[in-house]
Amino acid sequence: DGGITQSPKYLFRKEGQNVTLSCEQNLNHDAMYWYRQDPGQGLRLIYYSQIVNDFQKGDIAEGYSVSREKKESFPLTVTSAQKNPTAFYLCASSRGLYGNQPQHFGDGTRLSIL
Amino acid sequence: RKEVEQDPGPFNVPEGATVAFNCTYSNSASQSFFWYRQDCRKEPKLLMSVYSSGNEDGRFTAQLNRASQYISLLIRDSKLSDSATYLCVVRIPTGNTGKLIFGQGTTLQVKP
Repeated sequence: DGGITQSPKYLFRKEGQNVTLSCEQNLNHDAMYWYRQDPGQGLRLIYYSQIVNDFQKGDIAEGYSVSREKKESFPLTVTSAQKNPTAFYLCASSRGLYGNQPQHFGDGTRLSIL
Repeated sequence: RKEVEQDPGPFNVPEGATVAFNCTYSNSASQSFFWYRQDCRKEPKLLMSVYSSGNEDGRFTAQLNRASQYISLLIRDSKLSDSATYLCVVRIPTGNTGKLIFGQGTTLQVKP
């Protein structure tokens, strides 16, 4: 079955630590995205990527970094510079960034501070 | 003003009721529109796209009014399983790409 796989499901970060969230898709989608969701709020875009080796900052990129070395993979690193990292992180992909292309989501990673 | 605004609710309705959710968006250049459903502590899932002429999928009807920058979702004959948060999503043109803007969601609780 095609889909998006995020891991881990739950992650705990210590002060000053960088952590990396994994996102893999086998849908052959070109575009991939990372969102953050806080309780009672809509999703906010962190980073997105249209093609391999290219990515763009979203609305709240500070304290985060990404890479897109393979079409299937778009890992997100939450750095120690992100002072309030506790949130639900969602990875998504879509066939392209043009036209009426809905996004498909992974089942998310919940990050908490130890 | 938020780019996409929804009444957060919650909407508490009995089974079998008809319920309508509204959503307004601020960018008149918005291109595509969607409703997503998100269950508690789960990822959002596409419920339906919204077309200019309006569209229906079973008990769900979506409407778009570009002049008023307004989107609606109507659910008829509510089921217990419809209980979830419904996210209004709008694609805005950004450079040569476009990005999705998510509303905060409207929570629906269907009671027996």
